[in-house]
Amino acid sequence: GNSVTQMEGPVTLSEEAFLTINCTYTATGYPSLFWYVQYPGEGLQLLLKATKADDKGSNKGFEATYRKETTSFHLEKGSVQVSDSAVYFCALRMDTGRRALTFGSGTRLQVQP
Amino acid sequence: DTGVSQNPRHKITKRGQNVTFRCDPISEHNRLYWYRQTLGQGPEFLTYFQNEAQLEKSRLLSDRFSAERPKGSFSTLEIQRTEQGDSAMYLCASSFGSSGTTDTQYFGPGTRLTVL
Repeated sequence: GNSVTQMEGPVTLSEEAFLTINCTYTATGYPSLFWYVQYPGEGLQLLLKATKADDKGSNKGFEATYRKETTSFHLEKGSVQVSDSAVYFCALRMDTGRRALTFGSGTRLQVQP
Repeated sequence: DTGVSQNPRHKITKRGQNVTFRCDPISEHNRLYWYRQTLGQGPEFLTYFQNEAQLEKSRLLSDRFSAERPKGSFSTLEIQRTEQGDSAMYLCASSFGSSGTTDTQYFGPGTRLTVL
């Protein structure tokens, strides 16, 4: 079946540090890929997405590139802020058949001032 | 656009009782999803509606669980004879989808269920 694997957290960084959160996937076919973010006490919010190989999703300074050859969708940000502290979820969805999202287990990011 | 809303936000119940949760999707969204999230894990898919039709159910959805979406608008998720293992956050998401497009799912704040 389809699955998503994320690096374990928590990831603790100082403000303005570079962020990478690794995400790899297993899927039969070519999924769309997503990053969702969950701030403390809030619901899941879509951060960015990419629907085909080599697409780059970007939003709020975060970027991720859909790499078919390595089945990866790593999340990056050049300079994190304290306000980026949250749990980040990588997810995939097939465009035919099953419509549900398959999520990774999440990576908690803590940014210290 | 007021977003996806869920009620109640928190529910505490005793083992063996029945509970019902409600989800109001973003207006005009034809697809509605239920997920369950336990502590430290990502959401897991439970069931999916397109308009009023329930098109898919996960194996996680035991016979004690039932979901409806009358008239293709709001949805309810009922759990009968609750067990302590049902304690989790229940998330609802909605989207507007048509064939050949990648729809984006928008999530509600969730209903946190605690079974004592």
